Amino acid sequence: GAVVSQHPSRVICKSGTSVKIECRSLDFQATTMFWYRQFPKKSLMLMATSNEGSKATYEQGVEKDKFLINHASLTLSTLTVTSAHPEDSSFYICSARGRTSGIMHKMGETQYFGPGTRLLVL
Amino acid sequence: GQSLEQPSEVTAVEGAIVQINCTYQTSGFYGLSWYQQHDGGAPTFLSYNALDGLEETGRFSSFLSRSDSYGYLLLQELQMKDSASYFCAAQDQNFVFGPGTRLSVLP
Repeated sequence: GAVVSQHPSRVICKSGTSVKIECRSLDFQATTMFWYRQFPKKSLMLMATSNEGSKATYEQGVEKDKFLINHASLTLSTLTVTSAHPEDSSFYICSARGRTSGIMHKMGETQYFGPGTRLLVL
Repeated sequence: GQSLEQPSEVTAVEGAIVQINCTYQTSGFYGLSWYQQHDGGAPTFLSYNALDGLEETGRFSSFLSRSDSYGYLLLQELQMKDSASYFCAAQDQNFVFGPGTRLSVLP
């Protein structure tokens, strides 16, 4: 199956610093990338959707100036948590959706998740 | 609005069969996906239903009824390694995830 990587896998930072998380699709072109956040024992919450070459679309309640998303190429999207605070500590997961050659209803099979990045802000 | 409901926990023994239900309310709907997530790991794709009926993939099967806004994941011949959280996700323009069901498989 398709592979999506994330880097770093874990990061610990001081409050007030910025952290950049990279998401790469390794063997396919990701036309759309999604960023999720997951708190312990909770479900995945979609933060934003980014399409290559255009601005990200943020979900309600997600501050776009705090969570900067750049989808500069068809294989790379970055999430930068600016001025991180302890409440931003969470598991951040990206997923990528590639070009579909099949019919519309098979779109669901083409979202692949990265391994996640665990962020701890002290 | 969009919302999905799943049982929070299910417990079963090795070799048993378990069904995890999911009901959804979304403004638009293309299909229902199921994901498995082990503690500390990322979700992995299990199955996707766009049409009514049962899709079988090895020990796992998934069912969808669009008229009832309902689906389920069926896990057969349970193994210890199946202990994980299982999420249904309804696909509108994007995916909305359910709250997850924690499955514990006992020896």
